Amino acid sequence: GQNIDQPTEMTATEGAIVQINCTYQTSGFNGLFWYQQHAGEAPTFLSYNVLDGLEEKGRFSSFLSRSKGYSYLLLKELQMKDSASYLCAVANTGFQKLVFGTGTRLLVSP
Amino acid sequence: KAGVTQTPRYLIKTRGQQVTLSCSPISGHRSVSWYQQTPGQGLQFLFEYFSETQRNKGNFPGRFSGRQFSNSRSEMNVSTLELGDSALYLCASSLDPGSRADTQYFGPGTRLTVL
Repeated sequence: GQNIDQPTEMTATEGAIVQINCTYQTSGFNGLFWYQQHAGEAPTFLSYNVLDGLEEKGRFSSFLSRSKGYSYLLLKELQMKDSASYLCAVANTGFQKLVFGTGTRLLVSP
Repeated sequence: KAGVTQTPRYLIKTRGQQVTLSCSPISGHRSVSWYQQTPGQGLQFLFEYFSETQRNKGNFPGRFSGRQFSNSRSEMNVSTLELGDSALYLCASSLDPGSRADTQYFGPGTRLTVL
């Protein structure tokens, strides 16, 4: 079977750092994606990891450990606009099929 | 370059009816995937098309079907609508590099409400 777990909701303060974890159990792992989705909008691509390690992109970083079935998304210098849902998705080797977690709703307060 | 477009954006139907949703991928993208998003289940994969062929299918009943045209535009159809089909239907396109995962870009979705 396939299972992806993320916390349902997290809260943080503007300017702080937050780490959103994702654990997965899937077959045929072909990389892990993080997407951001604001309420009522389409998911937008944030990052892709296929090898172990940290990928940094501005204020956002994503980490992957394939042996542990674990990833995290790190958001630094939080801004109010970062309030959104963050979706972890694993790519199977079955071409373009993505298996999504239920998402983590992040609330950033002043 | 224009993004993924979906029409219509909102749709209200009654149980038993059928519905067709349309998706135009980013120019040059050949793979189109469809997802259903509900508050309880999150995003769930419906199917994926490439070169007018369904390559991958999720665990949805046969009432859900789709097709892709030669210009890569895609449609999905839901027949005999049920209340539980109320959801946001998202289309995503990607270039399709073959066997490796490629970034999927999502459209704004079609919000379907079944009464």
